[in-house]
Amino acid sequence: GENVEQHPSTLSVQEGDSAVIKCTYSDSASNYFPWYKQELGKRPQLIIDIRSNVGEKKDQRIAVTLNKTAKHFSLHITETQPEDSAVYFCAASTTGDMRFGAGTRLTVKP
Amino acid sequence: ETGVTQTPRHLVMGMTNKKSLKCEQHLGHNAMYWYKQSAKKPLELMFVYNFKEQTENNSVPSRFSPECPNSSHLFLHLHTLQPEDSALYLCASSQEEFRGYTFGSGTRLTVV
Repeated sequence: GENVEQHPSTLSVQEGDSAVIKCTYSDSASNYFPWYKQELGKRPQLIIDIRSNVGEKKDQRIAVTLNKTAKHFSLHITETQPEDSAVYFCAASTTGDMRFGAGTRLTVKP
Repeated sequence: ETGVTQTPRHLVMGMTNKKSLKCEQHLGHNAMYWYKQSAKKPLELMFVYNFKEQTENNSVPSRFSPECPNSSHLFLHLHTLQPEDSALYLCASSQEEFRGYTFGSGTRLTVV
């Protein structure tokens, strides 16, 4: 089955800096890769997703890149703000399954 | 509210109790899921219902029993749980199976 590894587990950046979170997956049949943000005590929320026929997707300060050959994808947050502080989860989905990474706790220091 | 409502928000139960978690979505989604979220571990899929039919049961212990009476409601019935079952139980729904989840706020379960 699918196995998703996420790094780093914790990340601390200064406000205004960029943050990058990386995930690798094992199942080459995976074709959908969402990212979720979970603030403390709140529900996970979908912030961006990418399908396997696209290499990169951007939404304002957030971007996701996908390298199918290497089986890894990354979340990039530019010009970080304190409200970006949260736990971020990646996931990889095939037909019949979606597996999540263990999460990255991002702290943005003002 | 994002359209997926879970009740109760918090639940404390003894190991001999029977309780139920409820999830309701008004997004017109076809698939609903139960996930278990434990500290520092990936989200664990427990059950999937697509068009009310269960399509996945990831070898979840029988002390957890799902019920999906219609495409908008999902229940998780709990009985004789163990302390290690304490976790946040998240419900999610999606239009397409295993795509673009909308999560509920979860039920924080503590088994004593």
